[in-house]
Amino acid sequence: ETGVTQSPTHLIKTRGQQVTLRCSSQSGHNTVSWYQQALGQGPQFIFQYYREEENGRGNFPPRFSGLQFPNYSSELNVNALELDDSALYLCASSLAGYNEQFFGPGTRLTVL
Amino acid sequence: AQSVTQLGSHVSVSEGALVLLRCNYSSSVPPYLFWYVQYPNQGLQLLLKYTTGATLVKGINGFEAEFKKSETSFHLTKPSAHMSDAAEYFCAVRTNFGNEKLTFGTGTRLTIIP
Repeated sequence: ETGVTQSPTHLIKTRGQQVTLRCSSQSGHNTVSWYQQALGQGPQFIFQYYREEENGRGNFPPRFSGLQFPNYSSELNVNALELDDSALYLCASSLAGYNEQFFGPGTRLTVL
Repeated sequence: AQSVTQLGSHVSVSEGALVLLRCNYSSSVPPYLFWYVQYPNQGLQLLLKYTTGATLVKGINGFEAEFKKSETSFHLTKPSAHMSDAAEYFCAVRTNFGNEKLTFGTGTRLTIIP
């Protein structure tokens, strides 16, 4: 059984650029959640996708957007990058109703 | 709105000593509670969870936690620390059952002294 995978591992961008992060969910999981973890902080909920529809959003601006594909993999897109967007972005997959999210290793984004 | 407070951003214990990591939550509805561990440069791994039923929950690697509603607490314990327990620990709460959003605390870094 393959766990949650994320790509790329590391990414460096400059202010104003756009970035796309990718997540492959664990086999059989239909829900994907994205979290932002700033240095020294706990993860903050960005949004969640269930069966290709957004199903809950945290306190993040619209320049954070996402997609979920029919195979339940997902993308996180961030437009107009700001320095404060530098963080570890974590993807978690789950099977709705089972109360356990499985996290990927994360993508470390640095914005210069 | 729900929130999680983890008392002590850094905790150091000697190898073989009791580990106690504190977590208090705020919630207007009965919560589901979780403890996750994060090793350097890795994602989060679930240690244990409380949803309903027995308030003393046992998890992996010898950890356990007790849900105390009257104290709004969910402290994590392990009787005897091992060097491999050194990591960052996060307490999380789920209260919105329309989705699986987790609200995390700021974490506690556990250091084990040989």
